[in-house]
Amino acid sequence: GAVVSQHPSRVICKSGTSVKIECRSLDFQATTMFWYRQFPKQSLMLMATSNEGSKATYEQGVEKDKFLINHASLTLSTLTVTSAHPEDSSFYICSASAKRTSTDTQYFGPGTRLTVL
Amino acid sequence: DAKTTQPNSMESNEEEPVHLPCNHSTISGTDYIHWYRQLPSQGPEYVIHGLTSNVNNRMASLAIAEDRKSSTLILHRATLRDAAVYYCILYQGGSEKLVFGKGMKLTVNP
Repeated sequence: GAVVSQHPSRVICKSGTSVKIECRSLDFQATTMFWYRQFPKQSLMLMATSNEGSKATYEQGVEKDKFLINHASLTLSTLTVTSAHPEDSSFYICSASAKRTSTDTQYFGPGTRLTVL
Repeated sequence: DAKTTQPNSMESNEEEPVHLPCNHSTISGTDYIHWYRQLPSQGPEYVIHGLTSNVNNRMASLAIAEDRKSSTLILHRATLRDAAVYYCILYQGGSEKLVFGKGMKLTVNP
């Protein structure tokens, strides 16, 4: 089956610092990657969609200058939370799609727990 | 975005079958019915998907109503590891975005 990894799995940082989260598709080439955020006891909310080699498309209300997304290759996408604040503390999850057919599913990473002090 | 409706929660007993319902009365002809589940502190996991016909895989079965306005995910023998939040999602696939609703929390009693 398709495997997506995330690194780190957990990060604690001080307010004002930047944090980078990596998402890798390990055994397939991901034409599209998605970034989600999930607050406690809530559902996943899509933040942005990124296609390899092009700029990410952000959902309404998500600040593109704060959440920088880079999708430099077909197996790697990164999310950088810039100048993190305590309200950015959340569970960040990426997913990847290969789009071989119209029914292709998305495969999710294990998530990254970010805590901003 | 097309929407689905699921119960907030269900309980089942270990080793018994459990049927998880989902209503999607506004489904379009090109929407596939996808099911994902999420265990605590993990990313969602793909379970199964279908278009019109019933589907079976090693994890579950998906029964789709003839008018496609509802579907049922069937776990044939629930185990404690099946305790999770289950999401029923209408999805067109590929680079289209998945829209997660609140999902349904399944509790499996030993």
